[in-house]
Amino acid sequence: AQSVTQLGSHVSVSEGALVLLRCNYSSSVPPYLFWYVQYPNQGLQLLLKYTTGATLVKGINGFEAEFKKSETSFHLTKPSAHMSDAAEYFCAVSDFGNEKLTFGTGTRLTIIP
Amino acid sequence: GAGVSQSPSNKVTEKGKDVELRCDPISGHTALYWYRQSLGQGLEFLIYFQGNSAPDKSGLPSDRFSAERTGGSVSTLTIQRTQQEDSAVYLCASSLVYRGANEKLFFGSGTQLSVL
Repeated sequence: AQSVTQLGSHVSVSEGALVLLRCNYSSSVPPYLFWYVQYPNQGLQLLLKYTTGATLVKGINGFEAEFKKSETSFHLTKPSAHMSDAAEYFCAVSDFGNEKLTFGTGTRLTIIP
Repeated sequence: GAGVSQSPSNKVTEKGKDVELRCDPISGHTALYWYRQSLGQGLEFLIYFQGNSAPDKSGLPSDRFSAERTGGSVSTLTIQRTQQEDSAVYLCASSLVYRGANEKLFFGSGTQLSVL
C-alpha cells in the first residue's frame, strides 16, 4: 500500500530564506508524486508533479522538488520565501494505474517578516 | 462552470440526522473524487467515480456513507445517521481524463460539516 509522510506539521521561515518541506513516500511500484498547496480560504491546487523523466521538477511560484528514489523522498524547496507563500502544503503519491491519490497530513508554512 | 462547485459551503446538523453534500465538477471532466479533510489528519480518500461508476469505494468509512453520480456530472455524498466524528471538510475534485493519476485534480472549496 502506498503512503506519505510529511515531517513537520508546522514550518516557519524568514522572508527571503530557503523553504524546505519534507516528504517521504512508500510505494511498491514506481510512484507518481505530487505537491498540492492550499492558500487560506482557497481550494487545493496543484503545485507540481513527477511522473516519469527528469527527477527535478519545477512548479508554479518558484517551487521545485526532486524525486530521489534511493531516499524515497520528494522534498519541496524554494530558494527565497515570500510572504505570499504562507499556506498549507500537501504531498501526495499514486501508483501507476491507480486512481487513488494518497495525501500526507500536510505542512503549514508560516513566513516571518 | 469555471471550477468545481460544492454546496452547501457550511452545514450544521444534529447527531443522527442525514445530510447530503453536492458536487458539480468541471464540465467534461470524467473522473470525480471525494476526500475528507480533518484537523491534523490530512486528506482522507473516500471514493472516486469514472463516469457514473465507482471502481473504488474502499475509502468510505462505514455503511452510513454512500455516494452516487448521475449523468456523468453531479455527484452527491450522503451521510446517514451522522455522528460527531463525521465533522470535517468534505472536498470534491475532478479531472479531465481517466488515465492513471497522471492527471491534475481540480478541487472545490469544500463543505464544512459540523455535527452537534
